[in-house]
Amino acid sequence: GAGVSQSPSNKVTEKGKDVELRCDPISGHTALYWYRQSLGQGLEFLIYFQGNSAPDKSGLPSDRFSAERTGGSVSTLTIQRTQQEDSAVYLCASSLDWRMPYEQYFGPGTRLTVT
Amino acid sequence: AQTVTQSQPEMSVQEAETVTLSCTYDTSESNYYLFWYKQPPSRQMILVIRQEAYKQQNATENRFSVNFQKAAKSFSLKISDSQLGDTAMYFCALGNDMRFGAGTRLTVKP
Repeated sequence: GAGVSQSPSNKVTEKGKDVELRCDPISGHTALYWYRQSLGQGLEFLIYFQGNSAPDKSGLPSDRFSAERTGGSVSTLTIQRTQQEDSAVYLCASSLDWRMPYEQYFGPGTRLTVT
Repeated sequence: AQTVTQSQPEMSVQEAETVTLSCTYDTSESNYYLFWYKQPPSRQMILVIRQEAYKQQNATENRFSVNFQKAAKSFSLKISDSQLGDTAMYFCALGNDMRFGAGTRLTVKP
């Protein structure tokens, strides 16, 4: 595709509900990254994928967070039993290959609001 | 562990003036890349400039340049001839696993 896309762009959910956030990377990019950005804050690294594999899940804030990637392409970030502190913008990025520090291309983000 | 520190939460500059944003980092890697990203109010992160650690020459990209001091682990961004469109959050990042600093909010005043 022309760029990294994320859906939905905005999501409002009630506390305790589960949410799924989707990321479509640039075609051919094998590395995919998820970040969380709280209001006015920097980027908190959550997880990265090389292909369908996520070698390091230590950045996920709690066991309510999980992510998967299928077919080396689309990735979903799932948050179970959402809490108000999960409210943030979730950014996805992709790059050619994790082993080389290529430029990351970012999506527009999903703004999650937990009420 | 790799860390990135941006010690200036906010800065402002007059249009057409020059401003320098600071970034320090820590890594045990011998070869790595450093990046400056810009995030305007639209929220879209955009790469501004990239520096390869094994290259001693400082990277430049039009009005943007870096002062890379490897021994001091310092990587500052200089913006010359500041324009109103430069108003944004600026993030310093360290490859390979892309650790980001907390960001500096830059406002360019007319």
